[in-house]
Amino acid sequence: DAGVIQSPRHEVTEMGQEVTLRCKPISGHDYLFWYRQTMMRGLELLIYFNNNVPIDDSGMPEDRFSAKMPNASFSTLKIQPSEPRDSAVYFCASSGQGSSGANVLTFGAGSRLTVL
Amino acid sequence: AQSVTQLGSHVSVSEGALVLLRCNYSSSVPPYLFWYVQYPNQGLQLLLKYTSAATLVKGINGFEAEFKKSETSFHLTKPSAHMSDAAEYFCAVSEYNQGGKLIFGQGTELSVKP
Repeated sequence: DAGVIQSPRHEVTEMGQEVTLRCKPISGHDYLFWYRQTMMRGLELLIYFNNNVPIDDSGMPEDRFSAKMPNASFSTLKIQPSEPRDSAVYFCASSGQGSSGANVLTFGAGSRLTVL
Repeated sequence: AQSVTQLGSHVSVSEGALVLLRCNYSSSVPPYLFWYVQYPNQGLQLLLKYTSAATLVKGINGFEAEFKKSETSFHLTKPSAHMSDAAEYFCAVSEYNQGGKLIFGQGTELSVKP
């Protein structure tokens, strides 16, 4: 398996523009997570899905952020309109039931977003 | 609520010296505990995990961690540091039946001096 695939790896945009980040989880994994990493706040969970259904979106900063998972192999995180404070690295991760009974997250390489 | 505290945002050791990265957790139920490593401009890679089996857990690259319930700790150690160990290390906690949802500590940057 190629692991968790994220695109784009880097995105530079101007304030007010729409940004869409994409994620392909590992085949067979039934959980998908979106995290954001910044120097100030560290790694924050934004939202996670189970079997394509959002379970907890309490970490989504505000209405400008939305996430979807239309099928088991694809998810998007959208920011509209973007603001400079949204600049961060956004990670997607997926998990499935492990042999130990614990789900273990596998992370993608991240999408580095810079909003000017 | 779950939480993780990593003591020391930056640790510096000499090559060949012991590595000790500290992690304390808070959880209302028996936790699952993890250490992840992040190299510059990369994603997070699992080093090791504790899932209520043996309290001493061995991971990749010679790292190990010991779960101590009485101290609510899960410190990461490696007997002899290598230059390639320089990276950021994250301790994380999750609970049963949450799909692996992780709550992370703030991270500890490890520097290795020649």
